[in-house]
Amino acid sequence: DAGVIQSPRHEVTEMGQEVTLRCKPISGHDYLFWYRQTMMRGLELLIYFNNNVPIDDSGMPEDRFSAKMPNASFSTLKIQPSEPRDSAVYFCASSPITQANYGYTFGSGTRLTVV
Amino acid sequence: SQQGEEDPQALSIQEGENATMNCSYKTSINNLQWYRQNSGRGLVHLILIRSNEREKHSGRLRVTLDTSKKSSSLLITASRAADTASYFCATANSGNTPLVFGKGTRLSVIA
Repeated sequence: DAGVIQSPRHEVTEMGQEVTLRCKPISGHDYLFWYRQTMMRGLELLIYFNNNVPIDDSGMPEDRFSAKMPNASFSTLKIQPSEPRDSAVYFCASSPITQANYGYTFGSGTRLTVV
Repeated sequence: SQQGEEDPQALSIQEGENATMNCSYKTSINNLQWYRQNSGRGLVHLILIRSNEREKHSGRLRVTLDTSKKSSSLLITASRAADTASYFCATANSGNTPLVFGKGTRLSVIA
């Protein structure tokens, strides 16, 4: 397995534009997580899915953020409209059925810069 | 919100020395995990210790857990330049809640 795959690796966009981040989890992993990493706040959980169903989106900062998982092999995180304070590294991670009883496998992240 | 807090925030040692990082947390846990993050990369799972375990080893890594003090330590023995990275502890609370990560310790191993 190639691991968790995220795209793009880097994204630079202008304030107000829509940004879509993509993630392909490891096949057979039932849980998918979106985290955001900044120097000030560290790693924050934004949302997670179990069997493609969103379980907890309380970490999503505002209505400008939305996430979907249309099938077991694909998830998107969308920011519309983007703002400079959204600049961060966004990670997708997946884990097997018993979730936090196993380690998570992280993707390489998407570094988002909003100017 | 952060559950685990690593200490120190940054650590610089010479190659061959041992590196010790500590993690404190606030609420009861199911297990505690340590991850490594190389610059510009994603986090990599290193080791998991369950709440009923006190010590665990994996290669040059040794993890201890003291649930009475709500703390854990990660020891890397005979460090190498390649160990230079940030190290994070993550806690899994009771139930099926996701991992909560600390802010990490930046380790620099100087050759």
